[in-house]
Amino acid sequence: GESVGLHLPTLSVQEGDNSIINCAYSNSASDYFIWYKQESGKGPQFIIDIRSNMDKRQGQRVTVLLNKTVKHLSLQIAATQPGDSAVYFCAEIPSNDYKLSFGAGTTVTVRA
Amino acid sequence: EAGVTQFPSHSVIEKGQTVTLRCDPISGHDNLYWYRRVMGKEIKFLLHFVKESKQDESGMPNNRFLAERTGGTYSTLKVQPAELEDSGVYFCASSNRGVYNEQFFGPGTRLTVL
Repeated sequence: GESVGLHLPTLSVQEGDNSIINCAYSNSASDYFIWYKQESGKGPQFIIDIRSNMDKRQGQRVTVLLNKTVKHLSLQIAATQPGDSAVYFCAEIPSNDYKLSFGAGTTVTVRA
Repeated sequence: EAGVTQFPSHSVIEKGQTVTLRCDPISGHDNLYWYRRVMGKEIKFLLHFVKESKQDESGMPNNRFLAERTGGTYSTLKVQPAELEDSGVYFCASSNRGVYNEQFFGPGTRLTVL
């Protein structure tokens, strides 16, 4: 069967390696998913989003994967850089709603 | 274009005191949201304004919290009287009309209740 990525509260990555951050969401009615990055002293900043009718979406150095069967979302960061060190949150919005429901967050630390 | 701003950036008060947080959304954004992150846990929704009207206040913890958005521009969030468990970071966000429009977050106000 499918394997579901484990959500880890912290992730240490060597500079230049790829990072994978996992998130399990709870609401099967959620229609829209977003990844946010929060750096120290700043508010959450939009990275990439995906609608429920898609499985994958790519941005600049980032890819989001959505598996609706197991309600799992992942963020892949290619060639991780020191500036990628931050807390990463996944968030979901149910259909016809506005409010974001956030996951627990993963603190990513990039090692030089 | 200026982003979402919040004031103050930090506030330290004693239990039982009153604190008022302010949020200035991006100009022209009808939607304004308050969220908070307590003790390093997940960020949780508090409430949502559309212009000056409260659209959804299902996340407000209790009646010690009062949010207003008079005139549909800036918003205030008052905590009275503050309790220890109210400590955390309070974020404000704003967005254009439409359900899937990006919510832009302010830098947050870190509230510490002693």
